[in-house]
Amino acid sequence: ILNVEQSPQSLHVQEGDSTNFTCSFPSSNFYALHWYRWETAKSPEALFVMTLNGDEKKKGRISATLNTKEGYSYLYIKGSQPEDSATYLCASNTGGFKTIFGAGTRLFVKA
Amino acid sequence: DAMVIQNPRYQVTQFGKPVTLSCSQTLNHNVMYWYQQKSSQAPKLLFHYYDKDFNNEADTPDNFQSRRPNTSFCFLDIRSPGLGDAAMYLCATSSLQGHEQYFGPGTRLTVT
Repeated sequence: ILNVEQSPQSLHVQEGDSTNFTCSFPSSNFYALHWYRWETAKSPEALFVMTLNGDEKKKGRISATLNTKEGYSYLYIKGSQPEDSATYLCASNTGGFKTIFGAGTRLFVKA
Repeated sequence: DAMVIQNPRYQVTQFGKPVTLSCSQTLNHNVMYWYQQKSSQAPKLLFHYYDKDFNNEADTPDNFQSRRPNTSFCFLDIRSPGLGDAAMYLCATSSLQGHEQYFGPGTRLTVT
C-alpha cells in the first residue's frame, strides 16, 4: 500500500516568517513527486514536479527539495505573505496513472 | 484560457436520489480523473479514463459510475447517494500518466 504523509496538518505563521512542510512517501518504485497549492474556492494548481533524487525546484519565494532514497520532500516558503494561505498537497506517482495524494498542510499567514 | 470546468460547484441531493456531476476540459488531454475528498483527508482516486479506456480503482464502490462521451467531457454518476458520499469531488486531467494534473474547482456534494 502506497501512503503519502504530510506534516504538519496545519500551520499558522505571521507575515514575513519563513516556513517549511514535509511530505514523506514510499521510496520504492518512485517515479515523480508533485506539489500542488489549493486556495479556498479555487482549483488545485501544480507548483512543482520532481523526479530525480536531489532535485531542487524554485518558483519565486517557494522552493522544494526531493530525497527519493529516504522518501521525503520539503516545501519551503520564504517570507510568507497572506496570499500564500492555502492547502499544500503533495502527491507521489510510481509511473502509472495512479497518483497518491497526502492530506495536505493547511497554511494560514496572518498579516 | 484552457481550463477544467466542473458543474455545478455545489450540489445538494437527497438520500438515494441519483445525481450526476460533470467535468469538461479545453486542454485536449488524454487522461481524466475523478477524485473524492472528504474533510481534511487526502483526495482519493475513484477512477480514470485514458482516452475511452475506463479504469476503476479496486475500492471504488459500485454506486459510483462514470461516462466519457468524448475527449472534452466526463461525468460522475452516483446511483444511490448515501450520507457517507457527501464530499468534495475533484476532476482532473493530464496529458500522460505521471504528469502534472490540471484540476477543476471541485463540486461539493451534500446529501440530505
